[in-house]
Amino acid sequence: ETGVTQSPTHLIKTRGQQVTLRCSSQSGHNTVSWYQQALGQGPQFIFQYYREEENGRGNFPPRFSGLQFPNYSSELNVNALELDDSALYLCASSTGAGPSSYEQYFGPGTRLTVT
Amino acid sequence: AQSVSQHNHHVILSEAASLELGCNYSYGGTVNLFWYVQYPGQHLQLLLKYFSGDPLVKGIKGFEAEFIKSKFSFNLRKPSVQWSDTAEYFCAVNARNTGKLIFGQGTTLQVKP
Repeated sequence: ETGVTQSPTHLIKTRGQQVTLRCSSQSGHNTVSWYQQALGQGPQFIFQYYREEENGRGNFPPRFSGLQFPNYSSELNVNALELDDSALYLCASSTGAGPSSYEQYFGPGTRLTVT
Repeated sequence: AQSVSQHNHHVILSEAASLELGCNYSYGGTVNLFWYVQYPGQHLQLLLKYFSGDPLVKGIKGFEAEFIKSKFSFNLRKPSVQWSDTAEYFCAVNARNTGKLIFGQGTTLQVKP
């Protein structure tokens, strides 16, 4: 069974630039959620995708957007990067159906640094 | 709005000591409850979960947690910690009609050998 994978591992961007982060869900999972984890904090929910549609969004501005593909992999795009966007971005996958849908499996994350 | 509060930010214990990490949440409806662990250099892993039924749940590596509905609490316990339990622990909640997890800010556990 392949776990959740994310790329890249680390990324350094300049304020104002755009970034795309990628996630492959665990085998058999059709739901992907994205979280932002600032240093010393717990992860904060950005949004979730289920069967290629956005299925819930946290308190993040529209410059945070996402996509899910037919193979259930996903992208997180952030436009007009700000210094406060520096964080660990986590992707989590789940089955999307039944009680097990609430059990999310996390990838290793992408560390984004905005300078 | 839902929120999760973890009372202890940094806990230092000696090996074989007992552990209890507090977690309280605010939400009036039906919830699912989780504890995740993040070992140094590793990704978040599910330690245990509560969906329904017996409020005392057992997880991996000897951890257990008790859901007390009247107190909105889901405290994590382990009778005897090991040096390998050194990690960051996160309590998380989700309401059953949403897919998002609300995390506490985490507790760093340091176990001295």
